[in-house]
Amino acid sequence: AQTVTQSQPEMSVQEAETVTLSCTYDTSESDYYLFWYKQPPSRQMILVIRQEAYKQQNATENRFSVNFQKAAKSFSLKISDSQLGDAAMYFCAYRILGGGADGLTFGKGTHLIIQP
Amino acid sequence: NAGVMQNPRHLVRRRGQEARLRCSPMKGHSHVYWYRQLPEEGLKFMVYLQKENIIDESGMPKERFSAEFPKEGPSILRIQQVVRGDSAAYFCASSPSGGGMETQYFGPGTRLLVL
Repeated sequence: AQTVTQSQPEMSVQEAETVTLSCTYDTSESDYYLFWYKQPPSRQMILVIRQEAYKQQNATENRFSVNFQKAAKSFSLKISDSQLGDAAMYFCAYRILGGGADGLTFGKGTHLIIQP
Repeated sequence: NAGVMQNPRHLVRRRGQEARLRCSPMKGHSHVYWYRQLPEEGLKFMVYLQKENIIDESGMPKERFSAEFPKEGPSILRIQQVVRGDSAAYFCASSPSGGGMETQYFGPGTRLLVL
């Protein structure tokens, strides 16, 4: 079975500092996509960043970047200059290419708290 | 361009009743996905549909749950004879095509409470 593990149920960081959220996954596939989604108190799921597994370069989106280690099956999210609006649940997810498994597989999430 | 729309946002049903959840994808999107989120859990994939076709229903419970995406109108997730364990948030997502590279854009979800 394909799984996504987020080992940190909760993380806390001071405003303006940097925090890293961890994610590991287990798959036998070689082609897949990885995603980080944010779920604020409104419960809306918002895409933060995505990474194609065939790309060695780590994706970045403004203050958000990933550290993708394919061999280790690790996909961590780094948030720089944390802001109060970053407070949310963060979910790591992946999706394989083809094979009939069309949905995203999500981890259980990490609750990120921003301390003012 | 309006995002993915779901209604109702909140739905209360008594055990044994039927629940119908609706999802209108983003304009130009013909692929719809349904997910369920239990309390303190991540989202779990249920079903993937294109217009008039169910492509992947590997995550759907075998009984009481069904989904459709007609040629005209929204996608519908139907739960018959609801039980308390069906209480959850149900999210719909859409994408312009079904490729693995496509980002899925999520709606705000429907919170179902079964009394």
